[in-house]
Amino acid sequence: QVQLVESGGGLVEPGGSLRLSCAASGFTFSDSYMSWIRQTPGKGLESVSYISGSGSSINYADSVKGRFTISRDNAKNSLYLQMNSLRAEDTAVYFCSRGPRVVDYWGQGTLVTVSS
Amino acid sequence: DVVVTQSPLSLPVTLGQPASISCRSSQSLVYSDGNIHLNWLQQRPGQSPRRLIYKVSNRDSGVPDRFSGSGSGTDFTLKISRVEAEDVGVYYCMQGTHWPFTFGPGTKLDIK
Repeated sequence: QVQLVESGGGLVEPGGSLRLSCAASGFTFSDSYMSWIRQTPGKGLESVSYISGSGSSINYADSVKGRFTISRDNAKNSLYLQMNSLRAEDTAVYFCSRGPRVVDYWGQGTLVTVSS
Repeated sequence: DVVVTQSPLSLPVTLGQPASISCRSSQSLVYSDGNIHLNWLQQRPGQSPRRLIYKVSNRDSGVPDRFSGSGSGTDFTLKISRVEAEDVGVYYCMQGTHWPFTFGPGTKLDIK
C-alpha cells in the first residue's frame, strides 16, 4: 500500500535552516508529481511547493520563494524540502503529498517550530 | 491567489441525518484540459487529511457512497446522505486548477 513518511522537523531559531524528507513507497515514485503542504491553526492548509516526476517542473508559493528548495531523489524514492531563512510564520505541520493537484495520498506530517 | 470559501464553518448534525457543505471559489476552476480540479478532503481528529472526492464528483476508492460531490464553475457542494459517527472531523475543499492551489477554511462536523 502507499506510504509517505516525513521526517526532519523540529525546533529551529529564526533565520535557521531545516531539511525535511519524505520517504515514499507503494507506487511508482518517479512517475508522480509530489508536493509539500503545510498546516497551521491560524492559516489552515497551504500549498508550499511541488515538483514533477523528473524534477524538471518546480513551483513555489510566494511566501517561501527564494527561501525553500524542493528536490527529489528517484533512486531513493525520496522527496526533500530545504528550508532556509526560517521565520516564525513558517511554523506548521508539513505534509508531503502525491501530486499538487490530485493530493490522493498524504503523509502523517512533521512539525516545524521556528522560535527563539 | 484563488480564494476558496466554505459554509457553514461549523456543522452539528444528528446521527442518521443528512449534511451539506458549500464551497465557492473566487475564479472559475475549469482547467485548460476541460477538467475542474476541485477536491474534497476529510481530516479526522489527530489524522492527516484524506481525499474523499476529486474532480468535483468522483469518489475515491473506499469512500462510502453516502458521500457525494457536485457543482460547476465556482460553486460546489459536498453532501453526506446519512451522517455516521465516523464522519466527525473537518472537511476542506481544495482547488487544484490555479497555482498556488488553495484550500477552504474547513467545516467542522460534529454530532449534535
